[in-house]
Amino acid sequence: DGGITQSPKYLFRKEGQNVTLSCEQNLNHDAMYWYRQDPGQGLRLIYYSQIVNDFQKGDIAEGYSVSREKKESFPLTVTSAQKNPTAFYLCASTSARGGQVTTNEKLFFGSGTQLSVL
Amino acid sequence: QKEVEQNSGPLSVPEGAIASLNCTYSDRVSQSFFWYRQYSGKSPELIMSIYSNGDKEDGRFTAQLNKASQYVSLLIRDSQPSDSATYLCAVKSPLSGGYNKLIFGAGTRLAVHP
Repeated sequence: DGGITQSPKYLFRKEGQNVTLSCEQNLNHDAMYWYRQDPGQGLRLIYYSQIVNDFQKGDIAEGYSVSREKKESFPLTVTSAQKNPTAFYLCASTSARGGQVTTNEKLFFGSGTQLSVL
Repeated sequence: QKEVEQNSGPLSVPEGAIASLNCTYSDRVSQSFFWYRQYSGKSPELIMSIYSNGDKEDGRFTAQLNKASQYVSLLIRDSQPSDSATYLCAVKSPLSGGYNKLIFGAGTRLAVHP
């Protein structure tokens, strides 16, 4: 079945440690996104990538890094510079491109990773 | 001013009633609007998308859009306890390079009680 796989489901980070969240998709989508969700808040965009070997900062990129070496994979590293990393992290992808409205627009989400600080 | 605003709730309705969820957005040029349902600890799932002024119906769900008032709403008829979730309003925003991002509201928590 096609979809987006995130792992692990739960992750714990020690102070000063970098941790990496995995995101893999087999939907052949070019665009991939990382969102962060805090309780009582909407999803906020961390990073996005529209093509292999290219990625851009979103609204809250500080303390995070990403790579896009393969079309299928878009891992997110939460660095020690991120002082408040506890949140629910969601990876997403889409094939819908362009400014025109299309009825095929849909953002596919992974099942999420809950990151907590030890 | 937040780009997408929703009442956080909780909105409590009895089973069988109509639940009305509201959302306002700040960017007048926005053209695409979405409603997602999110159960606790799960990822959002798309319920409805709407692009033109007026109503769009899909089963028990009706999305309403008024671009002049920058307002979008979701009506859930015959509400069921299984509809209890957080409902996220999202607005499409263009990115340089051709793709788009979704800007999400904080969500409205709906509780349907028997």
